[in-house]
Amino acid sequence: GAGVSQSPSNKVTEKGKDVELRCDPISGHTALYWYRQSLGQGLEFLIYFQGNSAPDKSGLPSDRFSAERTGGSVSTLTIQRTQQEDSAVYLCASSLAPVAGNTDTQYFGPGTRLTVL
Amino acid sequence: DQQVKQNSPSLSVQEGRISILNCDYTNSMFDYFLWYKKYPAEGPTFLISISSIKDKNEDGRFTVFLNKSAKHLSLHIVPSQPGDSAVYFCAAPGNTGKLIFGQGTTLQVKP
Repeated sequence: GAGVSQSPSNKVTEKGKDVELRCDPISGHTALYWYRQSLGQGLEFLIYFQGNSAPDKSGLPSDRFSAERTGGSVSTLTIQRTQQEDSAVYLCASSLAPVAGNTDTQYFGPGTRLTVL
Repeated sequence: DQQVKQNSPSLSVQEGRISILNCDYTNSMFDYFLWYKKYPAEGPTFLISISSIKDKNEDGRFTVFLNKSAKHLSLHIVPSQPGDSAVYFCAAPGNTGKLIFGQGTTLQVKP
């Protein structure tokens, strides 16, 4: 079956512009996560959606970052007034649902490589 | 505050030999650990996991060992193959199921 898809695969933008990154999770997965990987760094959690619950936004680095998930499926990560330090690979993952004390396997998309000039 | 640490950014081994990738953690509340593998231009893929009630989990050529007293886990790959060359991340689930990742170790297996 189809995996997690993300678009665009690459995005180059100028400092100060807004960008939108899209994630299509695996059908039926209720949990959706956004992470980013900056150069030479590990994966950094950004935001988490689970069903109709309020999202966990604790990983968003600033108020320039926001995300929404429409209809419990597709998610869009928006970065306003991009800065050079926003350059990274943005990864989306989905899972069936986290189980208390453990975690369902998260399936990752290929990522969007964002370059802010 | 790096709760999951992979102190070796890279590792090079010969094909057929054992690869040992290490990971340390600071949060004693973690009770489940995962290893993900990442090829360039692809997302990470789940490799193997271990619950804190175990000290070893084996899946084919891959074995993960957990030493809770030392807050240390390791991934063993034996025999290593050139196709194993990738970045390996260890991770632990934080609250709400989000994963806390280490910095990753780039493994190169030479033919």
